[in-house]
Amino acid sequence: AQRVTQPEKLLSVFKGAPVELKCNYSYSGSPELFWYVQYSRQRLQLLLRHISRESIKGFTADLNKGETSFHLKKPFAQEEDSAMYYCALSPSGTYKYIFGTGTRLKVLA
Amino acid sequence: DGGITQSPKYLFRKEGQNVTLSCEQNLNHDAMYWYRQDPGQGLRLIYYSQIVNDFQKGDIAEGYSVSREKKESFPLTVTSAQKNPTAFYLCASSGAKRNEQYFGPGTRLTVT
Repeated sequence: AQRVTQPEKLLSVFKGAPVELKCNYSYSGSPELFWYVQYSRQRLQLLLRHISRESIKGFTADLNKGETSFHLKKPFAQEEDSAMYYCALSPSGTYKYIFGTGTRLKVLA
Repeated sequence: DGGITQSPKYLFRKEGQNVTLSCEQNLNHDAMYWYRQDPGQGLRLIYYSQIVNDFQKGDIAEGYSVSREKKESFPLTVTSAQKNPTAFYLCASSGAKRNEQYFGPGTRLTVT
């Protein structure tokens, strides 16, 4: 079955500390993976996608096909990074998207 | 102002009544989606439409219905058959397969 797993519901880190939000997926084909972010009182929006290999707001994510993971990382967390983060997968040849359950990141001062 | 709009922001209904949630986009996107967002469960796909006059069931379609008569519009009806309708509903659109999704602001439905 196609599935996206985000094992942490809540992740609290101190400002300036490294952050890693975990995302594992179950899919036998070639995945297209995304990280979406929802800041307080804002719409859900795309943070980054693996195919573009960009660093957005200091965040990066590397696709590890062997471990079927797409963890989101940032070396130094900022208070404004506090938000809800969702990992999503789009199977090949489809318009469908499968979201994980989300991780709430709290960056403490 | 471009993007996706959902109305209303808050909706209250009595149990046993059908209710329709509006979603409109002016991004010229072919694909549109409805998700339900519940605490601890993430986003669950209700229905999606790849093109006008065509739509597919998502993972939790029971108790919901949709229509796609115009490219810009994808209304969702929550029927009285939906056992647990109180939730936050998100609409989204996408311009191509496996491309970025753009989300609306959401509608919070409360059924009592």
